[in-house]
Amino acid sequence: ETGVTQSPTHLIKTRGQQVTLRCSSQSGHNTVSWYQQALGQGPQFIFQYYREEENGRGNFPPRFSGLQFPNYSSELNVNALELDDSALYLCASSLEGPGNTIYFGEGSWLTVV
Amino acid sequence: RKEVEQDPGPFNVPEGATVAFNCTYSNSASQSFFWYRQDCRKEPKLLMSVYSSGNEDGRFTAQLNRASQYISLLIRDSKLSDSATYLCVVNTDYKLSFGAGTTVTVRA
Repeated sequence: ETGVTQSPTHLIKTRGQQVTLRCSSQSGHNTVSWYQQALGQGPQFIFQYYREEENGRGNFPPRFSGLQFPNYSSELNVNALELDDSALYLCASSLEGPGNTIYFGEGSWLTVV
Repeated sequence: RKEVEQDPGPFNVPEGATVAFNCTYSNSASQSFFWYRQDCRKEPKLLMSVYSSGNEDGRFTAQLNRASQYISLLIRDSKLSDSATYLCVVNTDYKLSFGAGTTVTVRA
């Protein structure tokens, strides 16, 4: 499909725990963005990584952090999970630049209980 | 004020009908614009980019009015497979801003 793969696809965590979500970008894409989509809402921008550096961040607290690796794959880490963190987490890859098409992975469904 | 606001619908239309809906965006510096389609519990997928001159892709027509900061999507000859949520998306620098989506249901 899009060539963007995410893991795990579904997971359940307890409030206060930590979670790591992973994303492999489409071949050749150097930019990875993460989005949170709560039920009934549009995706909300968390942050973006370009060449292993964070180069933009949305309105999310510091307990949301990330990494991008030399092969452009990425991780999203969330500490001290809260019930409201339950959502679909989407990774998107693209080439750098505002006009370039962004391709989403199938997402990771996180439930916090 | 939300960065992107959409009519949530739902729009419930018969097969073959024309359905149109729109969104507005708040940042006049936004650079590029898209419609994405999202099926239930799936990831968003690019439907089409939106240009000021207006553009068509088969049965889909998109329009952008920069002066009014308004984007529209029209679907002609609706098919059952067009049933989905349509997300209005605005790109400002590095960041995509999504509307909450417009739900369209096409009935037989």
